[in-house]
Amino acid sequence: DTAVSQTPKYLVTQMGNDKSIKCEQNLGHDTMYWYKQDSKKFLKIMFSYNNKELIINETVPNRFSPKSPDKAHLNLHINSLELGDSAVYFCASSQEPHRASGTEAFFGQGTRLTVV
Amino acid sequence: AQKITQTQPGMFVQEKEAVTLDCTYDTSDPSYGLFWYKQPSSGEMIFLIYQGSYDQQNATEGRYSLNFQKARKSANLVISASQLGDSAMYFCAMRGGGGGNKLTFGTGTQLKVEL
Repeated sequence: DTAVSQTPKYLVTQMGNDKSIKCEQNLGHDTMYWYKQDSKKFLKIMFSYNNKELIINETVPNRFSPKSPDKAHLNLHINSLELGDSAVYFCASSQEPHRASGTEAFFGQGTRLTVV
Repeated sequence: AQKITQTQPGMFVQEKEAVTLDCTYDTSDPSYGLFWYKQPSSGEMIFLIYQGSYDQQNATEGRYSLNFQKARKSANLVISASQLGDSAMYFCAMRGGGGGNKLTFGTGTQLKVEL
């Protein structure tokens, strides 16, 4: 049974389109994240939600809008896609949002977005 | 601000040998957690090992151990008895340390295990 699942796994789309990536976790965690991995494999936080509340928004363009309908879901909607948005997007979840240490983050399998 | 540095872009090791992947970190916060993740060519992120800043002993998980030297701010990953399946990208990450609950990642080390 998959702990953190995101769909789709691959997404190819044209510039200017709007697309969404969905993420669901069945671990009962309070905190969910979106990370972006660029072509050089560098991973960077985009957003963090705790119990449906936005906690972290790391200088991400307004074209990116996360939405958390409940604490088990965190979707990512991207408007007006640009070539530079091509990357792998990872959803993750973790417990203990108010402690610096604690348990690890569990990652989804990633969504490879290619903008052409 | 917290920062993770991995100075080895690529490493080679022979099968059955041990290998150390370097990681240094920078934070002025006394409370933080250090993590290592493995990313094989298939792309998923696999958690390997965790070390808390207040933990007295070095963490171990099977063939993985974390050489935690707090004064040097280093958290090197040691993989013993390397296997071909260990070939992957390895990321060191920090949580907390003034950055909240997000993970701050290093640039990664690509490990290749050879026969």
